[in-house]
Amino acid sequence: AQSVTQLGSHVSVSEGALVLLRCNYSSSVPPYLFWYVQYPNQGLQLLLKYTTGATLVKGINGFEAEFKKSETSFHLTKPSAHMSDAAEYFCAVTLYGNNRLAFGKGNQVVVIP
Amino acid sequence: EAGVAQSPRYKIIEKRQSVAFWCNPISGHATLYWYQQILGQGPKLLIQFQNNGVVDDSQLPKDRFSAERLKGVDSTLKIQPAKLEDSAVYLCASSLGFSGGAETQYFGPGTRLLVL
Repeated sequence: AQSVTQLGSHVSVSEGALVLLRCNYSSSVPPYLFWYVQYPNQGLQLLLKYTTGATLVKGINGFEAEFKKSETSFHLTKPSAHMSDAAEYFCAVTLYGNNRLAFGKGNQVVVIP
Repeated sequence: EAGVAQSPRYKIIEKRQSVAFWCNPISGHATLYWYQQILGQGPKLLIQFQNNGVVDDSQLPKDRFSAERLKGVDSTLKIQPAKLEDSAVYLCASSLGFSGGAETQYFGPGTRLLVL
């Protein structure tokens, strides 16, 4: 079964600094990979996803992620953190033929002014 | 376009009581999902419907949880009887179709359940 590992439950970043959230997946076949963001008392919102094609994926709010098959990774980055980026971020994976999203434990991002 | 609607937003019950959650997906979305999100963890799929048929309920505790999607639109998730460990946020999501894993799922705001 596919799974996702996100290390470091809480991530603190200074306003204007690089945001880097790490995601590693385990899958025996090529996966589909997703990053979702969850603001307090709200549902999850898709930031970006990788299905096929270009391995560098750009999403909303200035975020991007790169699929690296050799490293089984799909790390999320944003060059300059903004106060509005404070939220919880989840990496998730599905496999072809199965819409079941397998989520990581999430990263709570705190932005320090 | 209206998003996924869920009600109630919050519910507090005592253990052994029953509770039901309601979900209205985005109009035209054929696939509906129920996830359970326990504090400090990522969401876990409980059940997936395509139209009004069950596609995947392998992680649904069927001795106490049940779900239905009548007429392929709204859905209800029920817990009877509730246990303390059922305290969680229950998220409903929907997607347009079933494109083999690459579908974007759109999530509702969730129902936060506390079992005392």
